[in-house]
Amino acid sequence: DVKVTQSSRYLVKRTGEKVFLECVQDMDHENMFWYRQDPGLGLRLIYFSYDVKMKEKGDIPEGYSVSREKKERFSLILESASTNQTSMYLCASSLSAPVGNQPQHFGDGTRLSIL
Amino acid sequence: GQNIDQPTEMTATEGAIVQINCTYQTSGFNGLFWYQQHAGEAPTFLSYNVLDGLEEKGRFSSFLSRSKGYSYLLLKELQMKDSASYLCAVREGGGYQKVTFGTGTKLQVIP
Repeated sequence: DVKVTQSSRYLVKRTGEKVFLECVQDMDHENMFWYRQDPGLGLRLIYFSYDVKMKEKGDIPEGYSVSREKKERFSLILESASTNQTSMYLCASSLSAPVGNQPQHFGDGTRLSIL
Repeated sequence: GQNIDQPTEMTATEGAIVQINCTYQTSGFNGLFWYQQHAGEAPTFLSYNVLDGLEEKGRFSSFLSRSKGYSYLLLKELQMKDSASYLCAVREGGGYQKVTFGTGTKLQVIP
């Protein structure tokens, strides 16, 4: 079974802090993703990565950056946390090939509160 | 870009059949996924369609019409544990695996 592990289930930080959310997958997947999920807005893609050191902006990258130094680890960074970044953050991974039925496998999520 | 529409909420009776619809407008298309998400949990994969037609997997089936930009998820013999949100997600064309999710349909199964 694919295991996607997020470092924290709940996290509370203060406005202006630099926040790191870590995600590790154990199935050698090429693709990794960061989403945030808010009521009424669904899952929105922040960033994704299709290879080590490669990254692509998703739909809402502002205020975030990412790092992928190793294949199994994808980090989301909030450069200067703001209250509108309070949300549930979900990490996911998937295989690249063969292109077809390659679903994303999700971690349990990190509920981040910015005070 | 992608635009994906699903009903916000649905209610159905235990033992019945329910159909959850999803319509999409995309600049490219390379497959449609359905996920189930119980409250407070991560989404889990249910089904995948890339060609027109029906895919059946036990009590769950998913249908796709690419020309109409339309899919549905059919749940048969509903059980109380099927109460969850159901997310429709579309993968863009091209080499990347970027997937855009709909806002989800919250299904409540009642006795």
